[in-house]
Amino acid sequence: EVQLLESGGGLVQPGGSLRLSCAASGFTFSTYGMTWVRQAPGKGLEWVSSIIGSGITTYYADSVKGRFTISRDNSKDTLYLQMNSLRAEDTAVYYCAKRQYQLLSSYYYYYMDVWGKGTTVTVSS
Amino acid sequence: IQMTQSPSSLSASVGDRVTISCRASQSTSNSLNWFQQKPGKAPKLLIYAASSLHSGVPSRFSGSGSGTDFTLSISSLQPEDFATYYCQQSYSAPYTFGQGTKLEIK
Repeated sequence: EVQLLESGGGLVQPGGSLRLSCAASGFTFSTYGMTWVRQAPGKGLEWVSSIIGSGITTYYADSVKGRFTISRDNSKDTLYLQMNSLRAEDTAVYYCAKRQYQLLSSYYYYYMDVWGKGTTVTVSS
Repeated sequence: IQMTQSPSSLSASVGDRVTISCRASQSTSNSLNWFQQKPGKAPKLLIYAASSLHSGVPSRFSGSGSGTDFTLSISSLQPEDFATYYCQQSYSAPYTFGQGTKLEIK
């Protein structure tokens, strides 16, 4: 069974740092891109960051660029999100998701097909 | 790319047919996905590539559209379908979501 399990959330003061982890199982981790998505309390979904299977290429939302770093350890089947200079507006449930792809009509389509249960990050003094 | 869903909320009854719209600020080709989320739970994929039904998703869900205008349809609402629905473009980073459509029981 394909599973993702996030950990590392908690309460942190503004300006502080936190590292989230996402342990993957049930699939060949290194073959797939991975994504972090967050959801602030009572708000909608916000895409945060993605990384390709090899880890060479990363993408970030403008709201976190320069403060967050996505990475992965394919030997440990684990995805990470290093969050620095945290702000109150970073308070959210953070989900990791597997980035599936499919070739249709000679074009690759990408979508998040498996999600973890999420880990809660609270930034407050 | 900005994604705009309409309506933001919708009241309907069991058995109704409903449609939710999603408009992109520029073309996303067919790189458009739909998710369902229930309170306190992770989102679930319903539709990918605008109209492809994800494995295990009931056939009453369908997606259509291309370019900038997309639609999610539910042919006959079931009690378990009352949730919030999000569209998301996977054409180019940042891979933005719509603001969500909350589907409530009338």
